[in-house]
Amino acid sequence: GAVVSQHPSRVICKSGTSVKIECRSLDFQATTMFWYRQFPKQSLMLMATSNEGSKATYEQGVEKDKFLINHASLTLSTLTVTSAHPEDSSFYICSAIETAYGYTFGSGTRLTVV
Amino acid sequence: GQQVMQIPQYQHVQEGEDFTTYCNSSTTLSNIQWYKQRPGGHPVFLIQLVKSGEVKKQKRLTFQFGEAKKNSSLHITATQTTDVGTYFCAGGAQKLVFGQGTRLTINP
Repeated sequence: GAVVSQHPSRVICKSGTSVKIECRSLDFQATTMFWYRQFPKQSLMLMATSNEGSKATYEQGVEKDKFLINHASLTLSTLTVTSAHPEDSSFYICSAIETAYGYTFGSGTRLTVV
Repeated sequence: GQQVMQIPQYQHVQEGEDFTTYCNSSTTLSNIQWYKQRPGGHPVFLIQLVKSGEVKKQKRLTFQFGEAKKNSSLHITATQTTDVGTYFCAGGAQKLVFGQGTRLTINP
């Protein structure tokens, strides 16, 4: 099946620093990837749609200058949380669409900002 | 924008009892998907329904898609402790909109 690899799985950073999260599609190319955020005991909220070779499309209320998305290749999208603050602590999950298998999710990144 | 509502938010059952979660969309869906997320884990795809009135079964799980393609349900027969987790429905053509999820806990 299609596999999406997400790294790191956990990260703790100091307030004011930036954190980069990588999402890779293995064995398939993903022109589109999606970034979600999930707070404890809540649902997944779509943050942005990452498009290979073009700008990401952000959902309403998501600050594009704070959550930088780069989709430079057909297998890699990155999300950088800039100047992180404690309220950015959350579970970040990426997903990609593979033709035969549909949506496949990465294993998620638990970000803790202290 | 599109909204997907899911009920109940929580459900606690005795092992062996049945469980159902319901999903309603504010708009007609081209398809609906169901996911299971174990505590601390990521969503795992269960199934996708596309056709109006479609019913699919996976062992003890039965998935239904409404005739109007605006609602769906997941029914688990005779729950087991391995069924514990949060079940999400999600719909949308180009981007998935998730329901709030139903968190299932089971008393062994």
